[in-house]
Amino acid sequence: QKEVEQNSGPLSVPEGAIASLNCTYSDRGSQSFFWYRQYSGKSPELIMSIYSNGDKEDGRFTAQLNKASQYVSLLIRDSQPSDSATYLCAVTPRSVAQKLVFGQGTRLTINP
Amino acid sequence: DTEVTQTPKHLVMGMTNKKSLKCEQHMGHRAMYWYKQKAKKPPELMFVYSYEKLSINESVPSRFSPECPNSSLLNLHLHALQPEDSALYLCASSPATWENNEKLFFGSGTQLSVL
Repeated sequence: QKEVEQNSGPLSVPEGAIASLNCTYSDRGSQSFFWYRQYSGKSPELIMSIYSNGDKEDGRFTAQLNKASQYVSLLIRDSQPSDSATYLCAVTPRSVAQKLVFGQGTRLTINP
Repeated sequence: DTEVTQTPKHLVMGMTNKKSLKCEQHMGHRAMYWYKQKAKKPPELMFVYSYEKLSINESVPSRFSPECPNSSLLNLHLHALQPEDSALYLCASSPATWENNEKLFFGSGTQLSVL
């Protein structure tokens, strides 16, 4: 079982709709959860972090965490073509606080 | 200054060459990282320095040699690389409080091609 799993996509969403990206993790003791956005040929950019169960909103982005289900998601409202990118879920395992483990990433395409 | 600066942005080297990748940050972060990313794959951790000491080496081959001269600088020395080492090399830094809000910030990366 991979430490962090994501559906690799591609996920295609019409402009203006809600894009929903999902991630599961295997280490039940994980404490920190992040979503990075990566455009082709560029480096990962941190867009959301979440540490407690529930929702965290920042502009058009909402991160959701359910530690009991070992599940974290990212919702993008009013999707724009500029949101087209690969979204990487990343988790800090309890055992190694210095190690950020990435999922495979979900490639998202927003269609005008 | 909220940037992590990496140089060079692109590097082409032969298998017998010796080269170095450089990374600098001025955010006062005390942890610095090297990640390797192959095309269409996630970043993979190579090394972590915490307070200028090597704290994690993910069983990286010795042809990659990290160095942390001070809290702002991180180098990756390359020697006798193989074509399969061609990848995007990412440097990152974080505050090193090791609380549950430890955020990593990435540089723009060095795209390395080994011929």
